Amino acid sequence: AQTVTQSQPEMSVQEAETVTLSCTYDTSESNYYLFWYKQPPSRQMILVIRQEAYKQQNATENRFSVNFQKAAKSFSLKISDSQLGDTAMYFCAFMGTGANSKLTFGKGITLSVRP
Amino acid sequence: DAGITQSPRHKVTETGTPVTLRCHQTENHRYMYWYRQDPGHGLRLIHYSYGVKDTDKGEVSDGYSVSRSKTEDFLLTLESATSSQTSVYFCAISESRGSSDTQYFGPGTRLTVL
Repeated sequence: AQTVTQSQPEMSVQEAETVTLSCTYDTSESNYYLFWYKQPPSRQMILVIRQEAYKQQNATENRFSVNFQKAAKSFSLKISDSQLGDTAMYFCAFMGTGANSKLTFGKGITLSVRP
Repeated sequence: DAGITQSPRHKVTETGTPVTLRCHQTENHRYMYWYRQDPGHGLRLIHYSYGVKDTDKGEVSDGYSVSRSKTEDFLLTLESATSSQTSVYFCAISESRGSSDTQYFGPGTRLTVL
């Protein structure tokens, strides 16, 4: 079974600075997908970024980028130029490619952006 | 934004009472999912559906049942609610399962069982 670990329960960053959120996972599969979801105080789950394991290039979406280290099974999210609206809980998630694959979430990390 | 709505958005009920939560989508996506979110656990899959009348269990399915009589609606039923089922429930949809398809989530339903 796959597991996703987010070991930092909380982080804080000054507005306009850069912060990195850590995520590690465990799987025996060679091909899979990794996701970061954002959950602001509104409780809505919002997709931030997606990475396909067979792609060596790290995914980027505006101020959000990932550092995907397949051998180390590490998938960290970097937020550049942090904004107050980035304050949220962030979840790392894994999905395999088999017929019975499911989305497995980490426990989440609460990020606070300070003005 | 994916067209997903959940109803009710909030509900308070008593132990032993049946409860049904509804998820409605306008995207005509094949797959629909029910998750629960609890502190310290992230989101955990309860049940999912891969088509009308086709459903399967997730990792925390005990005490829950589901039904899907139309593509656009996926119902989650707690036959006899317990306090351990107090949680936030999310519905999600995807065009297909696994592979490259991303799941998109509804706004959530906060359920409190007294």
